[in-house]
Amino acid sequence: TQLLEQSPQFLSIQEGENLTVYCNSSSVFSSLQWYRQEPGEGPVLLVTVVTGGEVKKLKRLTFQFGDARKDSSLHITAAQTGDTGLYLCAGDGGGADGLTFGKGTHLIIQP
Amino acid sequence: DTGVSQNPRHKITKRGQNVTFRCDPISEHNRLYWYRQTLGQGPEFLTYFQNEAQLEKSRLLSDRFSAERPKGSFSTLEIQRTEQGDSAMYLCASSAPGRPRSEQYFGPGTRLTVT
Repeated sequence: TQLLEQSPQFLSIQEGENLTVYCNSSSVFSSLQWYRQEPGEGPVLLVTVVTGGEVKKLKRLTFQFGDARKDSSLHITAAQTGDTGLYLCAGDGGGADGLTFGKGTHLIIQP
Repeated sequence: DTGVSQNPRHKITKRGQNVTFRCDPISEHNRLYWYRQTLGQGPEFLTYFQNEAQLEKSRLLSDRFSAERPKGSFSTLEIQRTEQGDSAMYLCASSAPGRPRSEQYFGPGTRLTVT
């Protein structure tokens, strides 16, 4: 069974601060996705990373895939209240059983 | 592109009743997935269709659950003889041909409450 561990589980910071959240596994993934989910809604795809060491930027969000394709990080610069939400990482192990999701990081950005 | 849609958005049912949910994927997306999400957890895979063929079913999908995608377009998920443990958010996702199958777009979900 492939597991994805996300840390921290909860994070509350002030607007304007920087933060990093992590997604770790002992398994190798052929690709890894980051999603953001708001209460009562489905996850919204933010990015897909497929190459070890890959870095992708989406405005103030920077995503990195580990060299060994076992871990990933999401860094947010100058957080805004609109960044509040549940951030989920999900990995494709290459089998046929869909994505494996972590439990998520609950992020609250306080004004 | 109107996104993945799911109906109903909320369903409250009594234990023992049958319920059916519908998912309309993004047009021309040939792959369709069902997931279940409970409070405090990430989504868990239930089943996967490529066109009309159901290719994979998770061990989470008990005999009371059945899914169909008769014409390779919309899909339905039926739960028979519902139990309180079935209460969860049921999510549908689709992905496009030619794109990584992991690049999945989710609908808003159907929140099921079994009383």
